[in-house]
Amino acid sequence: QSVLTQPPSVSATPGQRVIISCSGSTSNVGSNPVNWYQQLPGTAPKILIHSYNRRPSGVPGRFSGSKSGTSASLAISGLQSEDEADYYCSSWDNSLNGIVFGTGTEVTAL
Amino acid sequence: QVQLVESGGTLVRPGESLTLSCAASGFKFSDFEMSWIRQAPGEGLQWISHIDMSGDSTFYADSVVGRFTTSRDNAKNSLYLQMSSLRIEDTAVYYCARGDSAFDVWGRGTMVAVSS
Repeated sequence: QSVLTQPPSVSATPGQRVIISCSGSTSNVGSNPVNWYQQLPGTAPKILIHSYNRRPSGVPGRFSGSKSGTSASLAISGLQSEDEADYYCSSWDNSLNGIVFGTGTEVTAL
Repeated sequence: QVQLVESGGTLVRPGESLTLSCAASGFKFSDFEMSWIRQAPGEGLQWISHIDMSGDSTFYADSVVGRFTTSRDNAKNSLYLQMSSLRIEDTAVYYCARGDSAFDVWGRGTMVAVSS
């Protein structure tokens, strides 16, 4: 079961800014790095952000991550149609001694 | 190029066993911790297990502990997931991924269906 809570869906018109929240606790987001993944339809997930706000090479600069307390956020500045996908946050959980994923958010470009 | 390719997924009956494999290429396999992650149809991602670089230490999600075993053969650049006492709720696409927390390389996945 997911212990990180995300909104089920967000939508915006192309060019707008989209923010996806990831709510956790002191045993995960509050004390460990947060990573974000993008899963395009029918494909495997791809890492977008690691260690709160580091982008692997090849990930566009419009994607950024942040954290405050036990919550993290992924921002997409200037949504594009190719960004339509499911997005997941994840973090290590000290109590469960394993990785926990968020519930996932479907992003739609209107 | 850096690549992970899973294999072994199939349809099995509840209670049966199955072993998945993951072949790594394009990087020094023995330098990386590796993980298994699954995704039930229409559902989100669930971390299953990870193994350290040497294979001496493994970690499992509560839902599979005692039933699943992760191992690796660094000489063969391969990762394995032995699954026993399979349940209907184990039905999912199983991905292998590079890393123990930030998964920077994923395979395409292999489907395991558990049904009577």
